[in-house]
Amino acid sequence: QKEVEQNSGPLSVPEGAIASLNCTYSDRGSQSFFWYRQYSGKSPELIMFIYSNGDKEDGRFTAQLNKASQYVSLLIRDSQPSDSATYLCAVNVYGQNFVFGPGTRLSVLP
Amino acid sequence: DGGITQSPKYLFRKEGQNVTLSCEQNLNHDAMYWYRQDPGQGLRLIYYSQIVNDFQKGDIAEGYSVSREKKESFPLTVTSAQKNPTAFYLCASSMRQGWTEAFFGQGTRLTVV
Repeated sequence: QKEVEQNSGPLSVPEGAIASLNCTYSDRGSQSFFWYRQYSGKSPELIMFIYSNGDKEDGRFTAQLNKASQYVSLLIRDSQPSDSATYLCAVNVYGQNFVFGPGTRLSVLP
Repeated sequence: DGGITQSPKYLFRKEGQNVTLSCEQNLNHDAMYWYRQDPGQGLRLIYYSQIVNDFQKGDIAEGYSVSREKKESFPLTVTSAQKNPTAFYLCASSMRQGWTEAFFGQGTRLTVV
């Protein structure tokens, strides 16, 4: 059974701080890693994807991947109240289906 | 604008009734998926399809049925056999199964009345 685990939260950070969201996965064959943001009552929207070990930056967001530790994280710098949402980690192996984690609820306090 | 369109946004079902949720995409994606999300829970895969006229069961297919007669369309029928259908249903597509990111429609919220 392939599993993706995330802390359910809520993770609360003050406005302007760095939010760190973590995800671990069980399948060592996993090749692609995705972070989605889901506002309450809305559908998930893709924030970032990462395929290679290391860091990938896009604006205020940085995804970090460590395949040896089976660990992927998302850092949000200068957190804003509008970042308050549930963040879903998704993992896949080429040719197979995405496996989603349960999500971490982030609350950015003004 | 390319994207995935789900309809209706809200749907109410009476006990014993079958209902069909629509999902259409104009992204030219081969793979399409249906997920169910319950309050405070993650996404659970119901059915997926890689090509036209072919689809596979996901983790929670019982009480659901799908068809894939056109590349653009992947409707989901919630049958009366699904005893607890109240949930948020999400349709998604990707260029290939498991190759690239999945894009989601806006979802259909189904409630049993």
